This record gives sequence, C-alpha cells and structure tokens, in this order.
Amino acid sequence: DTEVTQTPKHLVMGMTNKKSLKCEQHMGHRAMYWYKQKAKKPPELMFVYSYEKLSINESVPSRFSPECPNSSLLNLHLHALQPEDSALYLCASSQLTSGGQYNEQFFGPGTRLTVL
Amino acid sequence: AQSVTQLDSQVPVFEEAPVELRCNYSSSVSVYLFWYVQYPNQGLQLLLKYLSGSTLVKGINGFEAEFNKSQTSFHLRKPSVHISDTAEYFCADFRHNNAGNMLTFGGGTRLMVKP
Repeated sequence: DTEVTQTPKHLVMGMTNKKSLKCEQHMGHRAMYWYKQKAKKPPELMFVYSYEKLSINESVPSRFSPECPNSSLLNLHLHALQPEDSALYLCASSQLTSGGQYNEQFFGPGTRLTVL
Repeated sequence: AQSVTQLDSQVPVFEEAPVELRCNYSSSVSVYLFWYVQYPNQGLQLLLKYLSGSTLVKGINGFEAEFNKSQTSFHLRKPSVHISDTAEYFCADFRHNNAGNMLTFGGGTRLMVKP
C-alpha cells in the first residue's frame, strides 16, 4: 500500500467554523507533512512531524493547529480562518532515516478548502 | 542555501512535438533534485529524481532529465508529448537539517499540449 489518503476532498467553511482535515498512511512512514498550495503556485511547507512530534513549523498562524495522534494519522484543525486561507491542502509522508538521507515523499490528493 | 528556479511559467506545445522544461538550481552543498507532476485537481507525483551517479535520469511516462553541474541546471525533456501530459510540473530540491527533511519547490511550469 503506497497510498496517502486525505478527507474530505472538498470543504467549504465560514470564518467562524471549526473543521478538521485528515490524512492517513499505512506505509510505516514516521515523517508526515502538511503543505498549502494556492492556485497556480507551488506547494509551501507548513508543518513536519517526525516520530509523531512536531519538528518543523514554518511560522504558520495559530488558526491552523496540527495534530499527530499516532504514526498513521495526521490532522489539521482549522478555526477562525480567513478567505485568503482558501487553498489546496496537501499531506505527504516519508520514511525517516538519520544522517540526511533522502527519502521519497508520497503525496495525498489534497483537500480543497474554500473559506467564505 | 538551496533554491530552484523554473524559467518558464507556461509552455505550449503541439502533440507529438518534443518539449523541454527548464530548471536551474542554486546550491553550495550536495544536490538532490526532483521533478514532480500535478494533474488537475490531484496531488503531486514524482516523475524522477537525481541523488548521485549518472547525470542522465530517466523517469516515468517517457520523461528524462539531465543534471548539469557546470550550468547548474536540471532540465526536463520528453521527445514526443501527448495530450495527457498536460499538467503542472514542479522542480524541487531537498534539504535536511536537525529538524527534518524538507522539499522546496520551484514556481512551476504549466505544460499545455495542443492537438
């Protein structure tokens, strides 16, 4: 199984709503990633979890709250978002080895978020 | 510091014609370079990667890329494109630090294959 799944595929929410994006992989990967991709732009890294601990936060606003409840799941909790947060949110996972060795990141299909 | 630059935001080409998508990198350390493809409304798929060894890298769907250290380039090529190759293509590099592994993407090139 080399698949990263993301739910929901589409999400429309108001600025006062609370919602969550979910990501799941069963490849035994111990690194998981959230990216944000605006239209016609490249993905931008938001968060990295290594061994279920937050290792990288690219100065993301606190209205985005990541959570890694176990090695297979990654959530992104959303609260009080702004219309400019509308984007495709991509999840990825990879093996994690020491010494800077490259490990391929496998991407999910993304959740397309619209904030009204 | 590392970064990648994609020189063309859009490349229109007729079906069955050859295509080259350009990528230049800037790095003073070991270079790991990648090309990803993103079809409409989908996630990213790895086309090919350069880690070390042979400078000519072959990937999926008939694509290949050549790592050129003297020109700091990693251009993507295909000798004959299909309509189904219409997609966004991203060049990326890889960084590792104590916090983890990070991919950084270029701005993307939209390949538009016309019949």
